[in-house]
Amino acid sequence: DVKVTQSSRYLVKRTGEKVFLECVQDMDHENMFWYRQDPGLGLRLIYFSYDVKMKEKGDIPEGYSVSREKKERFSLILESASTNQTSMYLCASSLGLNIQYFGAGTRLSVL
Amino acid sequence: QKEVEQDPGPLSVPEGAIVSLNCTYSNSAFQYFMWYRQYSRKGPELLMYTYSSGNKEDGRFTAQVDKSSKYISLFIRDSQPSDSATYLCAMTYGNQFYFGTGTSLTVIP
Repeated sequence: DVKVTQSSRYLVKRTGEKVFLECVQDMDHENMFWYRQDPGLGLRLIYFSYDVKMKEKGDIPEGYSVSREKKERFSLILESASTNQTSMYLCASSLGLNIQYFGAGTRLSVL
Repeated sequence: QKEVEQDPGPLSVPEGAIVSLNCTYSNSAFQYFMWYRQYSRKGPELLMYTYSSGNKEDGRFTAQVDKSSKYISLFIRDSQPSDSATYLCAMTYGNQFYFGTGTSLTVIP
């Protein structure tokens, strides 16, 4: 079974803090994705990566950056957290450009 | 027009009912069609996927794709309280992924 592991299930941070969300997959997938999910808005793509050290902006990249130094690990960084970044963050990976497998999610609250 | 449209519900059915969940889409280039189940405060879990048109069955679940109508469905037979979740449809072509916003389903014992 594909396993996508997100380092934290719940996080509480203060406005202005730098926040790191980590994601690891164990299936040697080339592609990895970060989404945020908000009620009524569905899944919105923040960034994705097709290979190590490669990244592409998604639909809502503002206020976020990413890092992919190893194939299995994709990190999402909030440079200066703001209250409007309170959300559920979901990491996904895929082999080829078809089926994505998701992690359990990180529920981030920014106070 | 959104690429993928999904009725958000909520949908409430008695245990044992047949449930039909649906999505419509606008882009005829979509090739892979997926259904995910998401329990509250958890990540989406892949239920089923199909490539191109046709039906696919897995236990109590049947996924159906009608490319001529740009319409996909997920049928759940003999629904159980454990099926209570949000169901997301998804579809892809090339490097483009599109998700529906999800339909909330409650199965009442």
